Amino acid sequence: DGGITQSPKYLFRKEGQNVTLSCEQNLNHDAMYWYRQDPGQGLRLIYYSQIVNDFQKGDIAEGYSVSREKKESFPLTVTSAQKNPTAFYLCASRAPLIEAKNIQYFGAGTRLSVL
Amino acid sequence: SQKIEQNSEALNIQEGKTATLTCNYTNYSPAYLQWYRQDPGRGPVFLLLIRENEKEKRKERLKVTFDTTLKQSLFHITASQPADSATYLCALNSGYSTLTFGKGTMLLVSP
Repeated sequence: DGGITQSPKYLFRKEGQNVTLSCEQNLNHDAMYWYRQDPGQGLRLIYYSQIVNDFQKGDIAEGYSVSREKKESFPLTVTSAQKNPTAFYLCASRAPLIEAKNIQYFGAGTRLSVL
Repeated sequence: SQKIEQNSEALNIQEGKTATLTCNYTNYSPAYLQWYRQDPGRGPVFLLLIRENEKEKRKERLKVTFDTTLKQSLFHITASQPADSATYLCALNSGYSTLTFGKGTMLLVSP
């Protein structure tokens, strides 16, 4: 099956703890994205990466970190500096712009809660 | 920065009717506009893309219009079914490779 796989589906964080959300894709896409979605809110961009070993901050990057060591993987770490981490986190990838005009493909999401 | 407005109130319609959802944006006109469907607890799924030089785009029971003068897109679902119940998100390109999403409108189709 081709697509975006996010794990875990549910995650609980203790105060002061860093947690890492996994995102893997087998679509051979260069660009990958992390969004945060709060109830009744739109998707807000946290970080994105257009190529391996390169990434850019989105609108709400504070308290988060990412890495892009492999094309297939784009993990997101929610650090203890993120004081309100409870949200639904979505990972996406994008086909080459010339082909697909920034159409994005999403994973099933990870719901993070604070204990 | 681009701002997108979608009706925050849920749209309730009866099965068989046409649902019409609205997406309004401010600032610059995007090169293209996209519509996604999101089911509860799931990631969005791409439905349709319309370019700035296109007035209308259709796919099966779906139709999207794009009016760059009004800065508005309308999303229509004809002959709606209960299975069409979901939240529909509008998205515009906000940079070379990023999108700005609206908050979405929930559609409820009752039998």
